[in-house]
Amino acid sequence: DTGVSQDPRHKITKRGQNVTFRCDPISEHNRLYWYRQTLGQGPEFLTYFQNEAQLEKSRLLSDRFSAERPKGSFSTLEIQRTEQGDSAMYLCASSLMGSTGELFFGEGSRLTVL
Amino acid sequence: DAKTTQPPSMDCAEGRAANLPCNHSTISGNEYVYWYRQIHSQGPQYIIHGLKNNETNEMASLIITEDRKSSTLILPHATLRDTAVYYCIVRVLTDSWGKLQFGAGTQVVVTP
Repeated sequence: DTGVSQDPRHKITKRGQNVTFRCDPISEHNRLYWYRQTLGQGPEFLTYFQNEAQLEKSRLLSDRFSAERPKGSFSTLEIQRTEQGDSAMYLCASSLMGSTGELFFGEGSRLTVL
Repeated sequence: DAKTTQPPSMDCAEGRAANLPCNHSTISGNEYVYWYRQIHSQGPQYIIHGLKNNETNEMASLIITEDRKSSTLILPHATLRDTAVYYCIVRVLTDSWGKLQFGAGTQVVVTP
């Protein structure tokens, strides 16, 4: 499968623990995006990378959240000191810079904070 | 970016065409109309996008009114697998076009 892959698909953690999600984009895609989706709502933009550079962060991305894309390939999204309000689906998407409109999304990583 | 308005839900019979409306009355001249859908427990899937001309691909057709204040996504022969939430998004094609603003979308249920 050559699509966007995310790991883990599901994560249950206790409040206060740290969690990390990984995203592997489509191999030639130089742009990578993170979104968050809570139940019944549409996805909300969190941040995006062009190669290894993080170009924009949403105000939704509090200090407890950090995203990296160290070599311009895979990306990680870490949440420190998780809170129950962090429970959501975390979606990763990728695209080619210069493309005209198609984002390729992964299946998402569902986080449940107890 | 212009705001969009979609009906919260609609039903469609299998085999029939599904016509999904979207209002974007404040759209500006350089904003594109995008459609994505999200099947339950999956990530969103791109369907189609357009600026002013009607567009068609293997999944759907996009009809944009002449004044561009509304559009319709047409699924020509709906199947049960088309049951999903459909999102209409308006976005300028700037360098950060991938920062999409999803609304609540339309929950489409295709029934046998």
